Amino acid sequence: ETGVTQTPRHLVMGMTNKKSLKCEQHLGHNAMYWYKQSAKKPLELMFVYNFKEQTENNSVPSRFSPECPNSSHLFLHLHTLQPEDSALYLCASSRGTGVVDTQYFGPGTRLTVL
Amino acid sequence: AQKVTQAQTEISVVEKEDVTLDCVYETRDTTYYLFWYKQPPSGELVFLIRRNSFDEQNEISGRYSWNFQKSTSSFNFTITASQVVDSAVYFCALSEDLRGSARQLTFGSGTQLTVLP
Repeated sequence: ETGVTQTPRHLVMGMTNKKSLKCEQHLGHNAMYWYKQSAKKPLELMFVYNFKEQTENNSVPSRFSPECPNSSHLFLHLHTLQPEDSALYLCASSRGTGVVDTQYFGPGTRLTVL
Repeated sequence: AQKVTQAQTEISVVEKEDVTLDCVYETRDTTYYLFWYKQPPSGELVFLIRRNSFDEQNEISGRYSWNFQKSTSSFNFTITASQVVDSAVYFCALSEDLRGSARQLTFGSGTQLTVLP
């Protein structure tokens, strides 16, 4: 059983394209997260949603636009990306956003921007 | 200064050897949690363990064991009798209850473990 799913698993896009990443969690959690993992860099938190409300935007450029229609689904809309945005984008969910809440991750979307 | 330091960037061992992955953290909070995650080549971060700052008992789960020492701010992870399937990147992470701010989960830079047959 896969608690957090992400689609697509791989995405190649040009700098002028618009695409969306999708994340779905089946764990009954209330909080969802987007992370960026670039080569040789620690995981970077991008956005946090708790009960569908965005609670954190970690100074992410506006070419990344998140959407959380409900507690089970999270999207990341991409437009006019740069080659340096190529990375593994990971979605996670947790019961809440407290210090004790464990985050469970999806398999990631590997994005290549040409 | 990094909040979570994994000084070992890469480790290679031969199958059946024991290996210890180091994690040193920094926090001013008295209440915090420490985590280990495994990231195999497929990319998914797999949760392995969570420990709170008030519980310094070592934990063993099968071939995995964790040594939490507050005196040295370390939370090391040992794999006994390593197997090829243990090959992955392992991340240590710290969850702090920052006063006035949302909880932050800070990851170390990871240790790439390669187990050779």
